[in-house]
Amino acid sequence: TQLLEQSPQFLSIQEGENLTVYCNSSSVFSSLQWYRQEPGEGPVLLVTVVTGGEVKKLKRLTFQFGDARKDSSLHITAAQPGDTGLYLCAVLYNTDKLIFGTGTRLQVFP
Amino acid sequence: EAQVTQNPRYLITVTGKKLTVTCSQNMNHEYMSWYRQDPGLGLRQIYYSMNVEVTDKGDVPEGYKVSRKEKRNFPLILESPSPNQTSLYFCASSIFLTSGIGSEQFFGPGTRLTVL
Repeated sequence: TQLLEQSPQFLSIQEGENLTVYCNSSSVFSSLQWYRQEPGEGPVLLVTVVTGGEVKKLKRLTFQFGDARKDSSLHITAAQPGDTGLYLCAVLYNTDKLIFGTGTRLQVFP
Repeated sequence: EAQVTQNPRYLITVTGKKLTVTCSQNMNHEYMSWYRQDPGLGLRQIYYSMNVEVTDKGDVPEGYKVSRKEKRNFPLILESPSPNQTSLYFCASSIFLTSGIGSEQFFGPGTRLTVL
């Protein structure tokens, strides 16, 4: 059983469209991170959310942590080809183990 | 430049031939870990280390060994590789926060291993 479920698994869209990806769990977490991984590289941290209901913005990316701290969403406005990549959520489990979701693979076509 | 380095980047080997993938970080991080990435399964933690001489199993430790003799290095050892260990491997490091809040993981560039 996967601790973190991400949806959708794959997403192909045209440049300029908006999209939302989700990270869900039945467990409560003290924080949640989002990473982006581009082909041939390791994941890079985008954001860490800590407070239930927290919203953070990073240019065209908006991250929200659920009120109950069990889930999170990532919304991209006016997607660009440079947003293409694998988006991973991650949580700290038992204070010392980092668990990743299965990821959402996003392809943005010009 | 702050970075995590892994070597080799690509490796093709045969079943049973012992191999070591090296990992080194220059950020003085306490926490280091190894992950494998497989299609549809995401990143799964193999082993992690919270400091020198302190290591612990992640979710998929079978068939792997690690050591942490120095703070900067965290090699991954496959004593007798098998085809099911064909995967993309990442080393990562971070500071270790006792607050329970995840700190930023810095990943290496990955090692693509094929075991025939």
